This record gives sequence, structure tokens and C-alpha cells, in this order.
Amino acid sequence: SQELEQSPQSLIVQEGKNLTINCTSSKTLYGLYWYKQKYGEGLIFLMMLQKGGEEKSHEKITAKLDEKKQQSSLHITASQPSHAGIYLCGVARWGGADGLTFGKGTHLIIQP
Amino acid sequence: DSGVTQTPKHLITATGQRVTLRCSPRSGDLSVYWYQQSLDQGLQFLIQYYNGEERAKGNILERFSAQQFPDLHSELNLSSLELGDSALYFCASSVDWNTDTQYFGPGTRLTVL
Repeated sequence: SQELEQSPQSLIVQEGKNLTINCTSSKTLYGLYWYKQKYGEGLIFLMMLQKGGEEKSHEKITAKLDEKKQQSSLHITASQPSHAGIYLCGVARWGGADGLTFGKGTHLIIQP
Repeated sequence: DSGVTQTPKHLITATGQRVTLRCSPRSGDLSVYWYQQSLDQGLQFLIQYYNGEERAKGNILERFSAQQFPDLHSELNLSSLELGDSALYFCASSVDWNTDTQYFGPGTRLTVL
């Protein structure tokens, strides 16, 4: 089965600073999803990347997919308290859309 | 608000009991997924239904079962509950089954005492 490793596991960043979260797959990436979760709440869809080299942005969050490295990165510019939470990357098994396999998540804390 | 609704929000029960969790997908979505999130196992896929039919199975225990009804809402049944079944259970839905974005509900927090 495909495994996803996220780094770092946790991150404390001062408000206004930039940060990057990585998601590395043990197998070829056909598509990757990024979600954000507030503690104890549901997952909020951020972005989906399907092609190597693809880059998407939403507000101050940018995600890239590097097929060769089997890796995706999520970059937040000028972090704000609203960015705090758990960021999860996920992949669909066999490249299709059945259940997603998720990484363990990156816990992001924004210090004022 | 994703448009996916789950009830109840919280559920507290005893070992050996049986519970039913309910999920209503977003309007127009035909596919429903169930996930379990715990501290030790993380977020794990349990089972998927598409237009009333079971489509894919993940790490679902035999004590657990699910179904999707003609109105497309879904229920997850958990029986012979054990302490280790305490977790957050999420439902997600998507329009189709083929590489489509899944939108998650707020979850049901199950506590087994």
C-alpha cells in the first residue's frame, strides 16, 4: 500500500512568517490532495494536484507537485492565526477515486 | 460548511453495544466514503458506496457495516463496540467515483466506555 510521510510533524511559526510543509510518497504520485483540519473538526479541502509540475494557489497557500521526487509541498506566505491547524495530504489508491490514504498530518501553530 | 451533514455530533456508549452513524452527502453527490480518525492510527478509509452499491473497502472491521439508501444518505453501523473503537468518524462525499474531490462532514465523535 502507498505510504505518505509528512514533514515536519509539528511546526511553530511566528505570525507573518513563511513556512513549508512536505508530503513524500513511497510510490508514484498520480494525484494528491491537501486538506486542513481544525482540531476535532472536519477536513476542509484546500487543493488537488494531478500533474507533475502542477502548482496551485489559494489566497496565501501554494501547493506544488514534483512527480520525480514523489513529493508535494505546501507553502504558506505571511502566516496568520487563521492558518493554524492540522494539514493533511492524501492520495487516492491506484490513482482512482476510492478511499484516500492520508499522511499523519502536520500540526501548525501560529504564534502572535 | 462542506454541505455534508453527519449525526449525531457526539455519541457515548458502553462496550458491547451497537450504534448507527448517519451521513447525508452534498446535493448531487453519488459517492459516500467513511473514515475513522484516531490518535494512534490517524485517518483511515473504511468503506465507499456509489449510488447505493458498495464500491471499495478499506480497513473496515467485520463488526462494522454500512449501507447507502435510495435517497443517497448512508449509515455506518458499529457493533460489539470495544474501547478501541473510540474515535472520530467522518463521512465524505463526491460527485462521482473517478478521481473526484471528496468533501468531508463535521464528524461524529464516538466514545466507548
